[in-house]
Amino acid sequence: GQNIDQPTEMTATEGAIVQINCTYQTSGFNGLFWYQQHAGEAPTFLSYNVLDGLEEKGRFSSFLSRSKGYSYLLLKELQMKDSASYLCAVRSNNFNKFYFGSGTKLNVKP
Amino acid sequence: GAVVSQHPSWVICKSGTSVKIECRSLDFQATTMFWYRQFPKKSLMLMATSNEGSKATYEQGVEKDKFLINHASLTLSTLTVTSAHPEDSSFYICSARVQGDSGNTIYFGEGSWLTVV
Repeated sequence: GQNIDQPTEMTATEGAIVQINCTYQTSGFNGLFWYQQHAGEAPTFLSYNVLDGLEEKGRFSSFLSRSKGYSYLLLKELQMKDSASYLCAVRSNNFNKFYFGSGTKLNVKP
Repeated sequence: GAVVSQHPSWVICKSGTSVKIECRSLDFQATTMFWYRQFPKKSLMLMATSNEGSKATYEQGVEKDKFLINHASLTLSTLTVTSAHPEDSSFYICSARVQGDSGNTIYFGEGSWLTVV
């Protein structure tokens, strides 16, 4: 089975840094992905980790520890437009299916 | 990135009727497409994996006779919700993996809002 956990909601201040955690227990692992989704819209790809360590991409960074079944998404210099849901997804090694966590709603305040 | 298009974006249908949603990869060929369902304020739930030229693979708990999936070509997959009921009202999103790609990511369509009245 697939079990992917994220906090339901977080609040942070514009200009600050926020870390969104994701833990997973899945039958088969072939990469961990982070997506951003604004209400009523389709998700957009943010980052991808398949090996342990940190991947940096502008204001966004993502970390993976496969032994711990743990990832986080780090958002720096928060902007109001970063208010959205952030979805953690695990790609299985079974037809490359993607399984999503419940998403973390991030509220950025002025 | 690759472009995936869904149609229609919004559809309202009467209870008992069927509705078809199309998912097209516009600038690449996709041997595999995925169909997701999302309830308000909930995450994406994988319904089925659509494979070009073969039968779709459904996730546990998803009724294959109710949610008919056809992947007739490398650029088109369709989801037909048969005998729709109000509880089928939801946001349906497709995604596609680029053929030959290592599978680094999937690209999403814009989604289709289905309301059954």
